[in-house]
Amino acid sequence: GNSVTQMEGPVTLSEEAFLTINCTYTATGYPSLFWYVQYPGEGLQLLLKATKADDKGSNKGFEATYRKETTSFHLEKGSVQVSDSAVYFCALSDPPGKLIFGQGTTLQVKP
Amino acid sequence: SAVISQKPSRDICQRGTSLTIQCQVDSQVTMMFWYRQQPGQSLTLIATANQGSEATYESGFVIDKFPISRPNLTFSTLTVSNMSPEDSSIYLCSVRPGQGPAADTQYFGPGTRLTVL
Repeated sequence: GNSVTQMEGPVTLSEEAFLTINCTYTATGYPSLFWYVQYPGEGLQLLLKATKADDKGSNKGFEATYRKETTSFHLEKGSVQVSDSAVYFCALSDPPGKLIFGQGTTLQVKP
Repeated sequence: SAVISQKPSRDICQRGTSLTIQCQVDSQVTMMFWYRQQPGQSLTLIATANQGSEATYESGFVIDKFPISRPNLTFSTLTVSNMSPEDSSIYLCSVRPGQGPAADTQYFGPGTRLTVL
């Protein structure tokens, strides 16, 4: 079946460092791909999405490109801030509409 | 997007009791879902809440333990029955508006943090 694998955390970075969180997927067909973020004590917020190969999703300085050839959707940000500290979930849409999530990656940004 | 509220936001319950969680959306939506997030874990889909018919449960989840109602296109409830400490989790409602470019995007409520003693 379909699945999502994320790099294990926690990821600890200094402020203004470059961030990459790896995400790979296994899927039949062409699912949409998502990154969600969960700040401490809160629910999930949609961060960005991409619906087809080579699409780039972007939001709040974060980017991810849908790479069909490598079945990847890595999350990147050029300069992280302390306020980016959260848990990040990669997910894919699995018909008829449910989401399959990766295990989540905790990011901690230190001043 | 959609604005989603859940009640209660958190609760502490005794084992053997039941808790009903409410999910309210500010607009009519095609699909509603219930997820569970166990401590330190990812999200697992419990069921799809179908308007006017029985919910569709995922493997490992049964109606007797997690009865779900969806009386209309803006409201759903999830009941956690006969609770045990293993049911301590965050329960999240999500919606899929199902229209336009956001057709396959899901939006999540703030979650209900349940602790069972």
